[in-house]
Amino acid sequence: EVQLVESGGGLVQPGGSLRLSCVASGFTFSSHEMNWVRQAPGKGLEWVAFISISGSIIYYADSVKDRFTISRDNAENSLYLQMHSLRAEDTAVYYCARLRAAGTRWFDPWGQGTLVTVSS
Amino acid sequence: DIQMTQSPSSVSASVGARVTITCQASQGIGSWLAWYQQKPGKAPKLLIYDASSLQSGVPSRFSGSGSGTDFTLTISSLQPEDSATYYCQQANSFPLTFGGGSKVQIK
Repeated sequence: EVQLVESGGGLVQPGGSLRLSCVASGFTFSSHEMNWVRQAPGKGLEWVAFISISGSIIYYADSVKDRFTISRDNAENSLYLQMHSLRAEDTAVYYCARLRAAGTRWFDPWGQGTLVTVSS
Repeated sequence: DIQMTQSPSSVSASVGARVTITCQASQGIGSWLAWYQQKPGKAPKLLIYDASSLQSGVPSRFSGSGSGTDFTLTISSLQPEDSATYYCQQANSFPLTFGGGSKVQIK
């Protein structure tokens, strides 16, 4: 079964840092591009970051650029999101999501999500 | 950035009814459009990709159409388990963007 499991969320003060992880199983992780997508409480979906198979191509949403870093470890079947200078508006459920196939940009599947709360 | 505008933001319909949700892109995106279903407390699930291709395992009552800037998701015969929020997503270029969502409720 294809599965993505996120961890690392929690409560952090404004200006703080947090590192999210996503462990993949049931498919060849090193053959798929990966993303982080977030959803603020009661709000819609917002794409956050993309990383290519090798990690050589990375894109970020303007809202997180220069504060967040996406990375991956293909040997460990893991995706990461290092978040710095966190703000209240970063409060959201963060999902890792696989791109369905090479050359596509459809998210499938998604992990169950991990909640990040930025508050003092 | 490409803006995606969905309508309606919410719709209430009876079991068996036909429901249509529209999504408009701020510029042409060809067929680079996906639809997702999200139930409360759950992750989104891919329903339709490439504007009209049905994801494996998705019931055939779901269909997608359109190209360029105007797209449609249709549920041909609404079922109780279809109560959810539906999102469109453009996959033409980064940043990837989503519509604001359409909440479908059962009367």
